[in-house]
Amino acid sequence: DADVTQTPRNRITKTGKRIMLECSQTKGHDRMYWYRQDPGLGLRLIYYSFDVKDINKGEISDGYSVSRQAQAKFSLSLESAIPNQTALYFCATSENRDTGELFFGEGSRLTVL
Amino acid sequence: EDQVTQSPEALRLQEGESSSLNCSYTVSGLRGLFWYRQDPGKGPEFLFTLYSAGEEKEKERLKATLTKKESFLHITAPKPEDSATYLCAVQKYGNKLVFGAGTILRVKS
Repeated sequence: DADVTQTPRNRITKTGKRIMLECSQTKGHDRMYWYRQDPGLGLRLIYYSFDVKDINKGEISDGYSVSRQAQAKFSLSLESAIPNQTALYFCATSENRDTGELFFGEGSRLTVL
Repeated sequence: EDQVTQSPEALRLQEGESSSLNCSYTVSGLRGLFWYRQDPGKGPEFLFTLYSAGEEKEKERLKATLTKKESFLHITAPKPEDSATYLCAVQKYGNKLVFGAGTILRVKS
């Protein structure tokens, strides 16, 4: 089983719908992240959390929200999806130190029509 | 503004044909530079961390080097299984990673 699991892996939805992407990890890491990947733009940070009580905005948080339900679970929500949120979304974890070594899930491909 | 630029965008090599990928950056106060490999349909996988100019790291056919303005990922005698997208990222002290757009490498047998 993967250490960082994302669900769903693929989702097609319509403009205005609420969508939630879920992430769970078995690595025991406190730090969790949500990234978005678009062709030609690289990975961009949406939100991150250093522990259950800590939530921080990344560089592109507008239109997104997150919930850290437990150390192992971090979900990303789009309250009202729009077409330019069509992208590949990745959850990642890291150890409890200022490291750039991240462990990524396999991604959730979201299409907003 | 912190920027990370990777070149070329795509690279096609014959098996055994060595080459290099480039990652140039403009970051004040660099804490570390990181290389990741990403296979199609998968999340990025960590390869190397470089902390200071002159540092080198090796893993199988890959060698990463760092100067004050750029990093190179040298691929020696590549094999088809080296085909992937290679991502570079930089980190400032106290800040999160800034990723480049990646280089898509295809190695043909």
